[in-house]
Amino acid sequence: DGGITQSPKYLFRKEGQNVTLSCEQNLNHDAMYWYRQDPGQGLRLIYYSQIVNDFQKGDIAEGYSVSREKKESFPLTVTSAQKNPTAFYLCASSAQGSGANVLTFGAGSRLTVL
Amino acid sequence: AQRVTQPEKLLSVFKGAPVELKCNYSYSGSPELFWYVQYSRQRLQLLLRHISRESIKGFTADLNKGETSFHLKKPFAQEEDSAMYYCALGEITGRRALTFGSGTRLQVQP
Repeated sequence: DGGITQSPKYLFRKEGQNVTLSCEQNLNHDAMYWYRQDPGQGLRLIYYSQIVNDFQKGDIAEGYSVSREKKESFPLTVTSAQKNPTAFYLCASSAQGSGANVLTFGAGSRLTVL
Repeated sequence: AQRVTQPEKLLSVFKGAPVELKCNYSYSGSPELFWYVQYSRQRLQLLLRHISRESIKGFTADLNKGETSFHLKKPFAQEEDSAMYYCALGEITGRRALTFGSGTRLQVQP
């Protein structure tokens, strides 16, 4: 069953703590993305990666970090420097070429800072 | 920088009525436009893309480069069309990641 798996589904964090959200795909997609979804603001791009060991900042990268050591995995760390981390986070992946902008999304992770 | 604008946060129509969800974009190059949809308790998924020029679930969208628009239309709304709809822009060259609009919630009432 191919797809994208995000974990955990729900996560609670105390202020000052870093947390890492997992994103794994078995679609053999080269590109992976992290978006943040807030009510009334749509999806905003945090980071994206077109290939293993390479990634680029999106529009709201401050306070976040990523790694792409394996093709299948693209974890997102929400650091204590992120001023408003409570949000719904979506991971996505896509193939290269003509399918580059056809994204397959995960189910999302909801982070709440207490 | 590229931008996608969806002016309506909520669009409420009755079953059988026509639907038009508006999307305008700003981009200096040649864009690729998409509509993504999120039904209740389901994942965000692709609805249609402008280069396919096809109708999906009765929905169509035409890219109007003069008006920089990509409005989504359906002649007769169904209750199962109720969902959150996002317009998105992709670059043919340059940044290889989609820019999304803020979304429009479509409510189709019986």
